[in-house]
This record gives sequence, C-alpha cells and structure tokens, in this order.
Amino acid sequence: GENVEQHPSTLSVQEGDSAVIKCTYSDSASNYFPWYKQELGKGPQLIIDIRSNVGEKKDQRIAVTLNKTAKHFSLHITETQPEDSAVYFCAASRRSYDKVIFGPGTSLSVIP
Amino acid sequence: DGGITQSPKYLFRKEGQNVTLSCEQNLNHDAMYWYRQDPGQGLRLIYYSQIVNDFQKGDIAEGYSVSREKKESFPLTVTSAQKNPTAFYLCASSSTSGNTIYFGEGSWLTVV
Repeated sequence: GENVEQHPSTLSVQEGDSAVIKCTYSDSASNYFPWYKQELGKGPQLIIDIRSNVGEKKDQRIAVTLNKTAKHFSLHITETQPEDSAVYFCAASRRSYDKVIFGPGTSLSVIP
Repeated sequence: DGGITQSPKYLFRKEGQNVTLSCEQNLNHDAMYWYRQDPGQGLRLIYYSQIVNDFQKGDIAEGYSVSREKKESFPLTVTSAQKNPTAFYLCASSSTSGNTIYFGEGSWLTVV
C-alpha cells in the first residue's frame, strides 16, 4: 500500500524567512497530493493541493511542487509569520475518493 | 453553515466501557472517515465508508466499530477491546467528484 514519508519532523525558522517541508510517496498511481495545517486541539485544514498533471501551484505565500518521476512533493512557505506556526501534514491518494494516506507531520515554529 | 460536526468535544470514560463518538456532515458528501491521532503523532485511518450501508477497515480497526445507516452520519464506537483508547479522534468526509478531505474539529477521548 501507499506510504508517505515527511521531513523534517520539526522546523524552526525566523519570522520572514522561508520554510520548506518535503514528502515522498511510494505508490506511483497516486495523483492527488494535499497539504493540511493543524493548529493545537483542532482538526486539520486544507491549505493547498496539487494533482499529478501539474508541477507547481501557488497561493499567495504558499506553493507546492511535485516531481512525479522522483515521487516527491514539497511545501514552500515564504515570508513566514508567527501564525504559520502549526503542524503540517502532507498526503497522497489515487483517483476518486480512495483513502488518503497522510505523512507523519512537521511541527513548524516561526520565531518572532 | 456547512461542515462536519463531532460530538462530544471532550469525553471521559472508565476502562472497560464502550463509548460512541458522533459525526454528522451536511456537505452532501458520500465518503466519510475516522482517524485517530495520538499526541505528537500523525493521522491513522480507523474506518472509512464510501457509500451508505458500506464501510471498510482502515489500518487500525481492531477494537472499533462503525455504522453508516444515513449519508450524513458515521458514528464510531470505541469498544472495551481497544487496548489503548485515549486519543484525539477526527472525523472527515469527501465528495465523489474529488479527493479533498474535510475534517471536523475532533473529539478528545480519555479513558481512566
């Protein structure tokens, strides 16, 4: 079955710097890759996603890149702010509403 | 407002007792999911359902049971057979037209 790895497990950056989180997946049939942000005690919220026919997607300060050949995808957050501090999860799934497999998460701390 | 409602938010139970967590969605989604999250850990799939009256085991189904009698509802019962039930439980749903999973706010279960 699908396995998703995520690195680093923790990340601290200074406010204004960029943060990068990387994920790899094992199932070459996966074609949907969402990223979620989870604040303490709350459910994860979708922040951006990318499908396999796209190599990069941006939404303001957030961008995701996908390399299907290497089976890895990354989240880039620019101009980080303290409110970006949270746990971020990457995930992967096949077409349709097949089950989504999550990475173990990255705890991001943005230091003011 | 459209969304996923989990109840109760906090629940305490004695060891050996069964407990049922409620999950209701008004998003008209066909698929629903239950995840377990332990402190500092990722999301592990317990059960999922792609259609009414049908559900499949996830990666950690032992000690749990579900039902899907209505499209809007997917309750999870944590039975006395679950050896370590104290955790944060997340319900989620998705539509058939895409993979995006939307999460509820979660339920904290503490067994003493």
